[in-house]
Amino acid sequence: GAGVSQTPSNKVTEKGKYVELRCDPISGHTALYWYRQSLGQGPEFLIYFQGTGAADDSGLPNDRFFAVRPEGSVSTLKIQRTERGDSAVYLCASSLEYQETQYFGPGTRLLVL
Amino acid sequence: AQSVTQLGSHVSVSEGALVLLRCNYSSSVPPYLFWYVQYPNQGLQLLLKYTSAATLVKGINGFEAEFKKSETSFHLTKPSAHMSDAAEYFCAVFSTSGTYKYIFGTGTRLKVLA
Repeated sequence: GAGVSQTPSNKVTEKGKYVELRCDPISGHTALYWYRQSLGQGPEFLIYFQGTGAADDSGLPNDRFFAVRPEGSVSTLKIQRTERGDSAVYLCASSLEYQETQYFGPGTRLLVL
Repeated sequence: AQSVTQLGSHVSVSEGALVLLRCNYSSSVPPYLFWYVQYPNQGLQLLLKYTSAATLVKGINGFEAEFKKSETSFHLTKPSAHMSDAAEYFCAVFSTSGTYKYIFGTGTRLKVLA
């Protein structure tokens, strides 16, 4: 079956603009995670969804970041008023159930100029 | 709080030589530990995981890792490196405080020399 997919694969934007990053998890996976990977670093947790609700958003860096998963499948990570420091690879992962192994998408590489 | 430390951000080995990538963890409870590999412009792929069963864990592509509680280590090894093993490798622990999320190390970039 298909793995986790993310679109776009690359996004270049200007400082101050709004961006949306999409994640399509593996079909049937109830848990969905977003991570951010800066250059030379390991991925860092941003937010976790169980079904439609954000069960843990403690990793979101500030209120410019927001994510939704309205139907319990596809998720969108939204970044308002982008800053150059937001440049990173944003990774999405899903798992069949909570506490299960997570499967990662290829990521979206965001560059804020 | 749990954490992982990967010693050596870059490791070079000759083709056919032993691969050893180091990972030490910090956890007050029995951890779940993982190794992931990341090829250029690709997502993270699970190599192997330790979930408190056998201490020697075998993974894909000939990799294995041994959980050593006394040393708080989970080093990744492969007896004979292949050119296709060149990639970045991440060790991770499952955080058990609050949400079950991964806490990753900073990664080790493996270079395989012909």
